[in-house]
Amino acid sequence: QKEVEQDPGPLSVPEGAIVSLNCTYSNSAFQYFMWYRQYSRKGPELLMYTYSSGNKEDGRFTAQVDKSSKYISLFIRDSQPSDSATYLCAMSLTYGNNRLAFGKGNQVVVIP
Amino acid sequence: GAVVSQHPSRVICKSGTSVKIECRSLDFQATTMFWYRQFPKKSLMLMATSNEGSKATYEQGVEKDKFLINHASLTLSTLTVTSAHPEDSSFYICSGRAINSYEQYFGPGTRLTVT
Repeated sequence: QKEVEQDPGPLSVPEGAIVSLNCTYSNSAFQYFMWYRQYSRKGPELLMYTYSSGNKEDGRFTAQVDKSSKYISLFIRDSQPSDSATYLCAMSLTYGNNRLAFGKGNQVVVIP
Repeated sequence: GAVVSQHPSRVICKSGTSVKIECRSLDFQATTMFWYRQFPKKSLMLMATSNEGSKATYEQGVEKDKFLINHASLTLSTLTVTSAHPEDSSFYICSGRAINSYEQYFGPGTRLTVT
């Protein structure tokens, strides 16, 4: 079983729709959960991180972690064409831990 | 956020040759740098971690004699793929982390094609 599973998509949505992304994982020791956004030909940039279970909101972005189900989600409200990118989930045992376990990334296309 | 650059962005080399990839932190001092590899439709996989002035720590299954990492300064790390083979063709991404910081800042990646 892969450590982190993420459906690579692609996912196409009309502008203004809610984008829903998720990852599952197998290692119950993971404590920190991150979402990165990667534009074409650019490196990943950190969008949000969450510690343990719970929700975190930042503007149009909401991250959810359900440790009991080993399932994390990212929601993007009022999606914009500029949100078109690849979104990668990542997780680690501790924040700042060297070893980040990444999902494959999910390509999102927001159609104007 | 902080900026990390990589050079070259794309390189094609012949099988058996060596190729060097540079990773630079442009506006911060990266005491720790990381090298990742990403095959098509696969996850980013950590290859090695290097601290400035120290030998790199390689992940299990990564050959240290094949992937030479040098982190001689706080702003530069290099990855040399020695005796490259077609199966080494991949997307190589570096990241840097400043002292007392938790966040990794990623470079734009280098696409290596070995023919």
